[in-house]
Amino acid sequence: DAKTTQPPSMDCAEGRAANLPCNHSTISGNEYVYWYRQIHSQGPQYIIHGLKNNETNEMASLIITEDRKSSTLILPHATLRDTAVYYCIESAYSGAGSYQLTFGKGTKLSVIP
Amino acid sequence: KAGVTQTPRYLIKTRGQQVTLSCSPISGHRSVSWYQQTPGQGLQFLFEYFSETQRNKGNFPGRFSGRQFSNSRSEMNVSTLELGDSALYLCASSSGQTGRRNTIYFGEGSWLTVV
Repeated sequence: DAKTTQPPSMDCAEGRAANLPCNHSTISGNEYVYWYRQIHSQGPQYIIHGLKNNETNEMASLIITEDRKSSTLILPHATLRDTAVYYCIESAYSGAGSYQLTFGKGTKLSVIP
Repeated sequence: KAGVTQTPRYLIKTRGQQVTLSCSPISGHRSVSWYQQTPGQGLQFLFEYFSETQRNKGNFPGRFSGRQFSNSRSEMNVSTLELGDSALYLCASSSGQTGRRNTIYFGEGSWLTVV
């Protein structure tokens, strides 16, 4: 079962920042938090991942709390093309470089014009 | 750099038949994982291969199998197809290394319909 908790849906006005929360209270020390999004009928698109420090790339920022029990994905200027299901995932490390992603139901983000 | 490539994109099979799906990982990636996505169960991990060896396995029956070739390309096979096997099958590739370089990228998937 998924070990992360996300709101089932969120709306965001176009051009505004979208802040997607995620709780991962049981995360262990060597597990990364990954964020993916999936637009209908397509494969999941990698957004960002982190361990304990905040991360930023060209798509988004990831803010991880100091206790690592929750994180927030920030899309700084949401566009209509950001409408998708966003998944926050703990990677279960199985040893020797093997990571298993356990997906939950995600958050359906709707960007409103 | 080419992404993860999966073939075929769409296929229809009859109950009892078998199917083979193919995945070409990103160049240089040695780890290939397979996932099944259905409306009811969501995205579920099937198995992972690294250097031609199965390194991790999800909770699926033995009808689901896979293999990886020396060029890191992978195939998965489902035998004795059931209606419930209708799903989007996703392949993901990564370097397979420990640490933060292990970014995992997905392909567009293969849509399987069993009739």
